[in-house]
Amino acid sequence: GENVEQHPSTLSVQEGDSAVIKCTYSDSASNYFPWYKQELGKRPQLIIDIRSNVGEKKDQRIAVTLNKTAKHFSLHITETQPEDSAVYFCAAISGGSNYKLTFGKGTLLTVNP
Amino acid sequence: EADIYQTPRYLVIGTGKKITLECSQTMGHDKMYWYQQDPGMELHLIHYSYGVNSTEKGDLSSESTVSRIRTEHFPLTLESARPSHTSQYLCASSGTGKGGYTFGSGTRLTVV
Repeated sequence: GENVEQHPSTLSVQEGDSAVIKCTYSDSASNYFPWYKQELGKRPQLIIDIRSNVGEKKDQRIAVTLNKTAKHFSLHITETQPEDSAVYFCAAISGGSNYKLTFGKGTLLTVNP
Repeated sequence: EADIYQTPRYLVIGTGKKITLECSQTMGHDKMYWYQQDPGMELHLIHYSYGVNSTEKGDLSSESTVSRIRTEHFPLTLESARPSHTSQYLCASSGTGKGGYTFGSGTRLTVV
């Protein structure tokens, strides 16, 4: 089955800096890669996703890049703000008739004012 | 508003009791999932369903059971709660094709 590894497990940045979280996946047939943000005590929420036919996608201060050859994808947050502090999870869905998301272990991002 | 709802939000219960965690969605999604998560930690899939009368065990072994009699409803039952079941349980759903999940707000279960 699919295996998703996520790094780093914790990340601390100063407000205004950029943050990058990286994930690798094992199944070359995987074709959908979402990112979730989970604030303390709240539910995980989808913030951005990318499909395997696209190399990059942006939404305001966040962007995701996908390198299918290397089987890795990354989340980029620019001009970080304290409200970006949360746990971020990457995930992947394998090809075929599988609809289950395999999640990375999460990255705790702390943005210091 | 179309969403996924979980009840109760918090539950403290004694060892040996039977409990059912409720999950309902009003988005018309065919696929539903249960995850177990300790605070700020990994999401472990314990059950999933791709449609009515279809349920499968997830990647993490669990003593809980689920049922899917109606599309919108996916309850999780623990026949005999133990302190090791103390955790947060998150329900999620997804629609047609391959896409992201919508998560419920979770049930934080404490077994004493």
